[in-house]
Amino acid sequence: AQRVTQPEKLLSVFKGAPVELKCNYSYSGSPELFWYVQYSRQRLQLLLRHISRESIKGFTADLNKGETSFHLKKPFAQEEDSAMYYCALRGDNFNKFYFGSGTKLNVKP
Amino acid sequence: NAGVTQTPKFQVLKTGQSMTLQCAQDMNHEYMSWYRQDPGMGLRLIHYSVGAGITDQGEVPNGYNVSRSTTEDFPLRLLSAAPSQTSVYFCASSPPGQSYEQYFGPGTRLTVT
Repeated sequence: AQRVTQPEKLLSVFKGAPVELKCNYSYSGSPELFWYVQYSRQRLQLLLRHISRESIKGFTADLNKGETSFHLKKPFAQEEDSAMYYCALRGDNFNKFYFGSGTKLNVKP
Repeated sequence: NAGVTQTPKFQVLKTGQSMTLQCAQDMNHEYMSWYRQDPGMGLRLIHYSVGAGITDQGEVPNGYNVSRSTTEDFPLRLLSAAPSQTSVYFCASSPPGQSYEQYFGPGTRLTVT
C-alpha cells in the first residue's frame, strides 16, 4: 500500500541555518514525489516535483529510491520559509495522490 | 480568474443530516478532486474526476458521493452525516497534461455533532 511518512510535526531553525524536512515513502512501483507548501493564510500549492529536478525558492529534493526518501533541503533558511510542508506521492494511477501528515517549519529570526 | 472556489467556508451539521459541499473552478481544468484533512493525518483523497461525466473513488470514499455534470463544478455530497466526517475538506483541480500541479481551494470546515 502507498504511504507517505513525515516524521517531524514541527521543525524550528534559526534564520540562516540549513533545513532538512524528512519524507519517507512506501510504494512498490515507480512513484512520483512532490512537495507542497502552505504559507500562512494562503492555499496549499505545489513547491516542487522530483522529475523536474529544479531548485525552487532555494529548496531542492532528491529522490533516493534505495532509502525510499524524498527529503526537502535548503542550505540557508529564511523567515519567509515558515510554512506547513507536505510531501506527496502518486503511483501508477496518476490520478491518485497520497499526502504525508505535514511538517510545520518555523524559522526564527 | 477566481481559481478554485468552495462554499460554504464553515458548516455545522447534526448526525444524519445531508448536505452538499460546493466546488467550482473557472480555469477549464479537467481533473478535480476532493480531500479531507484530519489532525495528524494529512490530506486523504475522497473522490476524483478526470472530466465531465467521469468520477472515481479515492482512498476514503465511504459516506460520500460525487458527480461531475460540467467541467466547472464538482460537488461533494454527504447523504447522512456522521461525527467521523468532521474534518476540513479541500477541493483541487489540475490543468490538462499537468495533473501533478493541483490548485487547491480554501477549504470547508465541517463539524458534525
